[in-house]
Amino acid sequence: AQSVTQPDIHITVSEGASLELRCNYSYGATPYLFWYVQSPGQGLQLLLKYFSGDTLVQGIKGFEAEFKRSQSSFNLRKPSVHWSDAAEYFCAVGGANNLFFGTGTRLTVIP
Amino acid sequence: GAVVSQHPSRVICKSGTSVKIECRSLDFQATTMFWYRQFPKQSLMLMATSNEGSKATYEQGVEKDKFLINHASLTLSTLTVTSAHPEDSSFYICSAARTRETQYFGPGTRLLVL
Repeated sequence: AQSVTQPDIHITVSEGASLELRCNYSYGATPYLFWYVQSPGQGLQLLLKYFSGDTLVQGIKGFEAEFKRSQSSFNLRKPSVHWSDAAEYFCAVGGANNLFFGTGTRLTVIP
Repeated sequence: GAVVSQHPSRVICKSGTSVKIECRSLDFQATTMFWYRQFPKQSLMLMATSNEGSKATYEQGVEKDKFLINHASLTLSTLTVTSAHPEDSSFYICSAARTRETQYFGPGTRLLVL
Protein backbone atom coordinates (compact mmCIF):
# COMPACT_ATOMS: atom_id res chain seq x y z
CA ALA A 1 0.00 0.00 0.00
CA GLN A 2 1.11 3.51 -0.72
CA SER A 3 1.75 5.83 2.18
CA VAL A 4 3.80 8.82 3.18
CA THR A 5 5.03 9.52 6.68
CA GLN A 6 6.21 12.87 7.92
CA PRO A 7 7.23 12.11 11.49
CA ASP A 8 7.62 15.71 12.60
CA ILE A 9 4.33 17.52 13.06
CA HIS A 10 5.95 20.80 14.04
CA ILE A 11 9.51 22.09 13.82
CA THR A 12 10.89 25.36 15.11
CA VAL A 13 14.18 26.74 13.88
CA SER A 14 16.00 30.01 14.23
CA GLU A 15 16.37 32.22 11.22
CA GLY A 16 19.66 31.44 9.51
CA ALA A 17 19.83 27.92 10.89
CA SER A 18 19.78 24.84 8.71
CA LEU A 19 16.65 22.79 8.20
CA GLU A 20 15.82 19.19 7.46
CA LEU A 21 12.27 17.91 7.12
CA ARG A 22 11.86 14.17 7.08
CA CYS A 23 9.75 12.11 4.71
CA ASN A 24 9.47 8.35 4.44
CA TYR A 25 7.33 6.59 1.92
CA SER A 26 5.94 3.23 0.98
CA TYR A 27 5.22 2.69 -2.68
CA GLY A 28 4.89 -0.41 -4.80
CA ALA A 29 6.81 0.84 -7.80
CA THR A 30 9.51 3.34 -8.57
CA PRO A 31 8.15 6.45 -6.95
CA TYR A 32 7.78 9.94 -8.14
CA LEU A 33 8.45 12.16 -5.14
CA PHE A 34 7.41 15.70 -4.44
CA TRP A 35 7.67 18.41 -1.83
CA TYR A 36 5.01 21.11 -1.69
CA VAL A 37 4.79 24.16 0.55
CA GLN A 38 1.57 25.77 1.75
CA SER A 39 1.36 29.20 3.32
CA PRO A 40 -1.63 29.90 5.57
CA GLY A 41 -4.86 30.08 3.61
CA GLN A 42 -3.12 29.35 0.36
CA GLY A 43 -2.83 26.50 -2.09
CA LEU A 44 0.20 24.30 -2.53
CA GLN A 45 3.32 25.38 -4.35
CA LEU A 46 5.65 22.80 -5.83
CA LEU A 47 9.12 23.09 -4.32
CA LEU A 48 10.83 20.24 -6.11
CA LYS A 49 10.30 16.79 -7.53
CA TYR A 50 12.24 13.63 -8.18
CA PHE A 51 11.54 11.24 -10.99
CA SER A 52 14.86 9.60 -11.78
CA GLY A 53 18.55 10.30 -12.20
CA ASP A 54 20.58 12.32 -9.73
CA THR A 55 19.24 11.56 -6.28
CA LEU A 56 19.94 15.08 -5.03
CA VAL A 57 17.44 17.47 -6.53
CA GLN A 58 17.40 21.21 -6.35
CA GLY A 59 14.23 23.18 -6.01
CA ILE A 60 13.01 26.70 -5.70
CA LYS A 61 13.73 29.04 -2.79
CA GLY A 62 17.05 27.35 -2.02
CA PHE A 63 15.56 23.99 -1.07
CA GLU A 64 16.99 20.63 -1.98
CA ALA A 65 15.99 17.05 -1.31
CA GLU A 66 17.79 13.75 -1.43
CA PHE A 67 16.22 10.49 -2.50
CA LYS A 68 17.56 7.49 -0.61
CA ARG A 69 16.06 4.32 -1.95
CA SER A 70 17.59 2.12 0.74
CA GLN A 71 15.91 4.19 3.43
CA SER A 72 12.71 4.94 1.49
CA SER A 73 13.28 8.56 2.33
CA PHE A 74 13.09 11.89 0.57
CA ASN A 75 14.17 14.48 3.11
CA LEU A 76 13.96 18.18 2.39
CA ARG A 77 16.83 20.46 3.36
CA LYS A 78 17.78 24.10 3.35
CA PRO A 79 21.12 25.39 4.59
CA SER A 80 19.86 28.72 5.92
CA VAL A 81 16.22 29.31 6.76
CA HIS A 82 14.53 32.65 6.16
CA TRP A 83 11.57 33.99 8.11
CA SER A 84 9.49 33.73 4.95
CA ASP A 85 9.98 29.96 4.93
CA ALA A 86 7.50 29.60 7.80
CA ALA A 87 4.71 27.46 6.33
CA GLU A 88 3.34 23.95 6.13
CA TYR A 89 5.37 21.46 4.12
CA PHE A 90 3.90 18.38 2.49
CA CYS A 91 5.75 15.43 1.06
CA ALA A 92 3.93 13.46 -1.62
CA VAL A 93 4.55 10.29 -3.58
CA GLY A 94 2.98 8.95 -6.72
CA GLY A 95 2.22 10.48 -10.06
CA ALA A 96 -0.25 12.76 -11.74
CA ASN A 97 -3.12 10.39 -11.21
CA ASN A 98 -2.36 8.94 -7.80
CA LEU A 99 -0.72 11.42 -5.49
CA PHE A 100 -0.46 10.48 -1.81
CA PHE A 101 0.30 13.17 0.74
CA GLY A 102 1.91 13.06 4.11
CA THR A 103 0.23 14.79 7.03
CA GLY A 104 2.53 17.78 6.77
CA THR A 105 5.17 19.45 8.90
CA ARG A 106 4.57 22.93 10.18
CA LEU A 107 7.69 25.06 10.22
CA THR A 108 8.02 27.98 12.59
CA VAL A 109 10.96 30.35 12.18
CA ILE A 110 12.05 32.43 15.15
CA PRO A 111 14.14 35.58 14.83
CA GLY B 1 4.18 28.48 -16.32
CA ALA B 2 1.78 25.95 -14.76
CA VAL B 3 -0.57 28.40 -13.11
CA VAL B 4 -3.88 27.22 -11.71
CA SER B 5 -6.53 29.61 -10.49
CA GLN B 6 -9.63 29.11 -8.39
CA HIS B 7 -12.67 31.28 -8.03
CA PRO B 8 -13.96 32.39 -5.64
CA SER B 9 -11.22 32.46 -3.05
CA ARG B 10 -13.74 32.72 -0.26
CA VAL B 11 -17.49 32.19 -0.12
CA ILE B 12 -20.07 32.36 2.61
CA CYS B 13 -23.48 30.89 1.98
CA LYS B 14 -26.64 29.92 3.80
CA SER B 15 -27.40 26.33 4.63
CA GLY B 16 -29.34 24.65 1.85
CA THR B 17 -27.95 26.69 -1.00
CA SER B 18 -25.56 25.51 -3.70
CA VAL B 19 -22.09 26.85 -4.32
CA LYS B 20 -19.99 26.54 -7.45
CA ILE B 21 -16.20 26.68 -7.39
CA GLU B 22 -14.20 27.07 -10.58
CA CYS B 23 -10.74 25.73 -11.24
CA ARG B 24 -8.81 26.92 -14.28
CA SER B 25 -5.44 26.04 -15.72
CA LEU B 26 -4.30 29.38 -17.11
CA ASP B 27 -1.31 28.52 -19.25
CA PHE B 28 -1.65 24.85 -20.04
CA GLN B 29 -4.25 22.29 -20.94
CA ALA B 30 -5.15 19.70 -18.37
CA THR B 31 -7.02 16.58 -19.32
CA THR B 32 -7.14 15.67 -15.65
CA MET B 33 -7.98 17.86 -12.70
CA PHE B 34 -8.36 16.93 -9.07
CA TRP B 35 -10.45 18.20 -6.20
CA TYR B 36 -9.19 18.02 -2.64
CA ARG B 37 -10.63 18.97 0.69
CA GLN B 38 -8.48 20.10 3.57
CA PHE B 39 -9.60 20.32 7.16
CA PRO B 40 -7.79 22.68 9.57
CA LYS B 41 -4.26 21.58 10.33
CA GLN B 42 -4.66 18.42 8.30
CA SER B 43 -3.44 17.08 5.01
CA LEU B 44 -5.27 17.08 1.74
CA MET B 45 -7.98 14.52 1.14
CA LEU B 46 -8.64 13.65 -2.47
CA MET B 47 -12.32 13.93 -3.24
CA ALA B 48 -12.46 13.19 -6.93
CA THR B 49 -10.58 13.03 -10.18
CA SER B 50 -12.05 15.00 -13.04
CA ASN B 51 -11.35 14.03 -16.64
CA GLU B 52 -12.23 16.29 -19.52
CA GLY B 53 -15.28 15.08 -21.35
CA SER B 54 -16.11 12.22 -19.02
CA LYS B 55 -17.61 11.58 -15.62
CA ALA B 56 -15.56 12.27 -12.56
CA THR B 57 -14.21 9.47 -10.42
CA TYR B 58 -15.06 9.91 -6.76
CA GLU B 59 -13.11 8.59 -3.82
CA GLN B 60 -14.77 6.26 -1.39
CA GLY B 61 -17.04 8.08 1.01
CA VAL B 62 -17.50 11.16 -1.16
CA GLU B 63 -21.11 11.74 -2.20
CA LYS B 64 -21.18 12.29 -5.93
CA ASP B 65 -24.68 13.75 -5.82
CA LYS B 66 -23.60 16.31 -3.29
CA PHE B 67 -20.31 17.28 -4.88
CA LEU B 68 -21.01 17.68 -8.58
CA ILE B 69 -17.96 17.92 -10.79
CA ASN B 70 -17.93 19.08 -14.37
CA HIS B 71 -14.83 19.18 -16.58
CA ALA B 72 -16.21 20.69 -19.74
CA SER B 73 -12.97 21.90 -21.27
CA LEU B 74 -9.24 21.31 -21.05
CA THR B 75 -8.82 24.38 -18.88
CA LEU B 76 -11.87 24.41 -16.63
CA SER B 77 -13.31 22.14 -13.99
CA THR B 78 -16.09 23.10 -11.61
CA LEU B 79 -17.12 21.72 -8.25
CA THR B 80 -20.67 22.41 -7.11
CA VAL B 81 -21.53 21.77 -3.51
CA THR B 82 -25.27 21.16 -3.58
CA SER B 83 -27.53 21.87 -0.64
CA ALA B 84 -24.58 22.90 1.44
CA HIS B 85 -24.61 22.37 5.19
CA PRO B 86 -22.30 23.64 7.92
CA GLU B 87 -20.35 20.37 7.91
CA ASP B 88 -19.38 21.12 4.31
CA SER B 89 -17.44 24.16 5.48
CA SER B 90 -13.85 23.54 4.54
CA PHE B 91 -10.94 24.56 2.35
CA TYR B 92 -11.30 23.15 -1.15
CA ILE B 93 -8.25 22.94 -3.38
CA CYS B 94 -8.06 21.91 -7.00
CA SER B 95 -5.08 20.79 -8.99
CA ALA B 96 -4.36 20.16 -12.63
CA ALA B 97 -2.04 17.62 -14.14
CA ARG B 98 0.24 19.34 -16.60
CA THR B 99 2.24 16.22 -17.29
CA ARG B 100 1.78 12.60 -16.43
CA GLU B 101 3.77 13.07 -13.28
CA THR B 102 3.05 16.45 -11.77
CA GLN B 103 0.03 18.21 -10.31
CA TYR B 104 -0.10 21.97 -9.95
CA PHE B 105 -2.40 23.38 -7.33
CA GLY B 106 -4.77 26.28 -7.19
CA PRO B 107 -4.84 28.76 -4.30
CA GLY B 108 -7.87 27.16 -2.69
CA THR B 109 -11.41 28.23 -1.85
CA ARG B 110 -12.56 28.75 1.70
CA LEU B 111 -16.23 27.75 2.05
CA LEU B 112 -18.23 28.73 5.10
CA VAL B 113 -21.80 27.51 5.35
CA LEU B 114 -23.93 29.28 7.93
